[in-house]
This record gives sequence, structure tokens and C-alpha cells, in this order.
Amino acid sequence: EVQLVESGGGLVQPGGSLKLSCAASGYTFSDFAIHWVRQAPGKGLEWVGRIRTKTYNYVTVYAASVKGRFTISRDDSKNTAYLQMNSLNTEDTAVYYCTRRLDGGDGYWGQGTLVTVSS
Amino acid sequence: EIVMTQSPSTVSMSPGERATLSCRASQSIGSDLAWYQQKPGQAPRLLIYDASTRATGIPAKFTGSGSGTEFTLTISSLQSEDFAVYYCQQYNNWPPITFGQGTRLEIK
Repeated sequence: EVQLVESGGGLVQPGGSLKLSCAASGYTFSDFAIHWVRQAPGKGLEWVGRIRTKTYNYVTVYAASVKGRFTISRDDSKNTAYLQMNSLNTEDTAVYYCTRRLDGGDGYWGQGTLVTVSS
Repeated sequence: EIVMTQSPSTVSMSPGERATLSCRASQSIGSDLAWYQQKPGQAPRLLIYDASTRATGIPAKFTGSGSGTEFTLTISSLQSEDFAVYYCQQYNNWPPITFGQGTRLEIK
């Protein structure tokens, strides 16, 4: 069974940093990209970014709202992807989800981890 | 960036009725569209991909249609568990991948 489990969320002050993890199981992690999607409280879904596989040189792309502040990485030996978030502001407060694909019939999402940016 | 616009923002319906939710893309996206259902405190659940293909385990009461810029999600014979927020999402031209703002389907 495919599972994605996010962790690392919490309370952080504006200007601070946080690193989220997305632990995968039930499939060959190295064969699939990973996307991050976030959802501010009471709001809709916002795509954050994606990392591809080793075959595609781990290429990353980001939403304009996080480019230059957020970095996605992965460790295929640990079946884990990461979202490093720097220079956080209150608008980054959200539940952060990782998902395997956002095209086609995949549909595997984690349960999400809450990040709260507040002083 | 492709803007996805859903209508209506909120719709109130009674159990047993049929719901029709709309999604419009700011430019043609072919059939590269997905629909998700989200309930409070839960991750989005994929219902439809490629505009009209039901995801694994999704009942036939959920039907997606459309192509180009106009898309529809139809939910027949509404049951209590169908009342949720529904999002459309395009994956034709990205980055960025973009979602609609959501349609809240509530019980009348």
C-alpha cells in the first residue's frame, strides 16, 4: 500500500526556518517525483513545487510565491523528500501536503502537517 | 499562468438530488483536468483525472466531462457523504500547477 507521511510542522516565528519531511512507503520511491501542495486555514489548495527523479537530475520547480525561499530535496536511500522553508512569513501558515503525482490517476497524498508562522 | 475558476462558490442541495459543478480554464487545457473532493481535516481525494476518467475506487455516481476550457463534475443522487468541497486542477501547462478556488457543496 502506497503511503506518504508528512512531519516536521509546528510553530515558527516570522523570518524563521522549518524543514518538513515526506516519508514514502509501499512503492519504489526513486521512480516517482514528489510535489508539495499547501492549504492556508479555510482556503483553497496551492501548489508549492516539485522535485523529479534521479533520471531527470532531481530537477525542481517552484511556485512564484515561494521561489528563492523554499527548497525541495530528496534522499532516495531514506525514501524521503524534504521541504526546506526559509524566511517564513504569516502567509506561509498552512497545512503542507506531499503527493506523488498531480497528473493522471495517481491520487496518493499524505495527511498533511501544519505550519504556523506567528510571533 | 492558467487560472481555474469554479462556479458556484457554494451550492446548497438536498440528498437525492443531482449536483452539477463547473470549472473554467483561462486557456485551453485539452483534457488535462482533475477533480478532487475534500472533507474537513482530510487530504484531498482524487475523483476524476483526464477530465472524465474515474480514479480507482470512485463510484459511478461521479461523472466528469468537458475539454478545452469548460469542464463539469456531476454527482448523481447526493448522499450525506458527498457534501464536501470540490476542487478542479489543471496539469496541462505548468509550472505552476493551478487549482480552482473550490465549490462547497452543502446540505440544504
